[in-house]
Amino acid sequence: AQSVTQLDSQVPVFEEAPVELRCNYSSSVSVYLFWYVQYPNQGLQLLLKYLSGSTLVKGINGFEAEFNKSQTSFHLRKPSVHISDTAEYFCAVSETGGGNKLTFGTGTQLKVEL
Amino acid sequence: KAGVTQTPRYLIKTRGQQVTLSCSPISGHRSVSWYQQTPGQGLQFLFEYFSETQRNKGNFPGRFSGRQFSNSRSEMNVSTLELGDSALYLCASSTLTGEDTQYFGPGTRLTVL
Repeated sequence: AQSVTQLDSQVPVFEEAPVELRCNYSSSVSVYLFWYVQYPNQGLQLLLKYLSGSTLVKGINGFEAEFNKSQTSFHLRKPSVHISDTAEYFCAVSETGGGNKLTFGTGTQLKVEL
Repeated sequence: KAGVTQTPRYLIKTRGQQVTLSCSPISGHRSVSWYQQTPGQGLQFLFEYFSETQRNKGNFPGRFSGRQFSNSRSEMNVSTLELGDSALYLCASSTLTGEDTQYFGPGTRLTVL
């Protein structure tokens, strides 16, 4: 079984400042890692995913994440946030070869302020 | 390409009733997964269907069931509704494996009174 921990439930940040949203996972098997974003009253949209290879993954909207196997982390970063980045962000894992079952973290609400 | 569509978008039911939610995946996608999202429990996996067969199942009671049709459209059913079933139910579709991106629909907001 897998589990995902997002330690920060809310992260306030000023516009144009950098941000890091933290994600740690636990699994006894190999996993794929994902970050999704959810805007109010909408479904989830994939920001980026790590399957294998380079540990630095670039996604949409200027986001990137780094997979750290030794620390079992997959933190999401953006060098300069915009008001439109205000949303809830979910880290998720799925077991390699285990189909499409995603295990999600509890989410981090990113609030970008002027 | 049209995205994942879910119907209805909003639903109000009373305790003890049953409900059926529908999900139409992106054309060509054969995998459909369902998730329940609540403020208390977050996002939880319900089940996944691929080519009309249930491939994965989460830890939900038997009151929650689903099926997939030959055109890949999927339905989920909840019988004997409880207040705690109030949630946003999300459907996601993808092509085949866990490596593929899952595309989520806007969800069905179910309120149980």
